[in-house]
Amino acid sequence: DTGVSQNPRHKITKRGQNVTFRCDPISEHNRLYWYRQTLGQGPEFLTYFQNEAQLEKSRLLSDRFSAERPKGSFSTLEIQRTEQGDSAMYLCASSLVIGSSYEQYFGPGTRLTVT
Amino acid sequence: SQKIEQNSEALNIQEGKTATLTCNYTNYSPAYLQWYRQDPGRGPVFLLLIRENEKEKRKERLKVTFDTTLKQSLFHITASQPADSATYLCALDPTDSWGKLQFGAGTQVVVTP
Repeated sequence: DTGVSQNPRHKITKRGQNVTFRCDPISEHNRLYWYRQTLGQGPEFLTYFQNEAQLEKSRLLSDRFSAERPKGSFSTLEIQRTEQGDSAMYLCASSLVIGSSYEQYFGPGTRLTVT
Repeated sequence: SQKIEQNSEALNIQEGKTATLTCNYTNYSPAYLQWYRQDPGRGPVFLLLIRENEKEKRKERLKVTFDTTLKQSLFHITASQPADSATYLCALDPTDSWGKLQFGAGTQVVVTP
């Protein structure tokens, strides 16, 4: 399968715990994005990488959130000291920004439930 | 502030008819607009991209229009099928930075046989 993969698919954690999600993008894609989606809403942009460089972070991304993309391959999103408001679907997407091609390919998401 | 609005009510349509979805935006001047499909519990799937200098774009049974004066895009599914039932999202890049997408809340389409 050459699509975007995310692990785990589901995560239940207690408030105050740290969680880490992983995203493996399509191998030749140079951009990787993280979004968060709550029920009934569209995805909200969190951050994105061009290769290994993190180019932009949303104001939604508090200091408890950190993302990395070492070596420009897979990416991790860590949430420290989780809060109930962090419960959401976390989506990863990748794209190959070349010429005029801007479509993004999304993974299946990681559903986080904070109890 | 920048805003993207899509019909919040589900669109119920009979198989074979054309479904038309609306995406209105304010305080943007996007270079392009994208449409995605999302099934429950899954990530969005890219469908179509239309640029500001294109009035209309088609892909199989799908058609998208883009009116930068009205600040509106229309998304049409012709000859709809039950398999087209899903939520459809429109997305804009507010900074034309090639990827930082802002999405509407989506419109659910239900196609009944």
